[in-house]
Amino acid sequence: GAGVSQSPRYKVAKRGQDVALRCDPISGHVSLFWYQQALGQGPEFLTYFQNEAQLDKSGLPSDRFFAERPEGSVSTLKIQRTQQEDSAVYLCASRPQNSYNSPLHFGNGTRLTVT
Amino acid sequence: AQSVTQLDSHVSVSEGTPVLLRCNYSSSYSPSLFWYVQHPNKGLQLLLKYTSAATLVKGINGFEAEFKKSETSFHLTKPSAHMSDAAEYFCVVSVTTDSWGKLQFGAGTQVVVTP
Repeated sequence: GAGVSQSPRYKVAKRGQDVALRCDPISGHVSLFWYQQALGQGPEFLTYFQNEAQLDKSGLPSDRFFAERPEGSVSTLKIQRTQQEDSAVYLCASRPQNSYNSPLHFGNGTRLTVT
Repeated sequence: AQSVTQLDSHVSVSEGTPVLLRCNYSSSYSPSLFWYVQHPNKGLQLLLKYTSAATLVKGINGFEAEFKKSETSFHLTKPSAHMSDAAEYFCVVSVTTDSWGKLQFGAGTQVVVTP
């Protein structure tokens, strides 16, 4: 596709359930980021991949959060034993190269609601 | 550490009047700065970027921003607001202390446009 694609668009989970959020970046993009956006807040960095390597996971809020990008394209963000504070929009973004001057292309996000 | 502060959480303007969204940054290095817009239930869209070239940066949809080092500011302006400009706007700095430049978002400014 032409842009970053995320699925599902909406996810409702009961507290304690595991969820998996998928991101299809723009084809050929080396860099992939995950961000978490709580209601009324700006996005907060979670983790960064360069190809299949996870180079920065300093933003993951707990060990219940896990991300992977095994073949350097599609990425999955997994949240185990979801809690109510995990309710947020999860944004995926990609860019063609590893450069801080290059803007990110964002997907529309997955809105996770934990009940 | 690099950060941005958006000085207004909400801005209300009448259609056809100028828009001013204020942003101050903090950075020990020459920063890369961006403005992104987020329409309801949509992904983040890049409006413009500053990367140490011209201090007056023109973006999409008639927006522009001026980088003022002496004031550590990067305010976003538009001469004449349109109803379609109603959205959330984020001032963003690229963190250059790592080599992949994760983005640090401001808290956002909600823009309301009245007829």
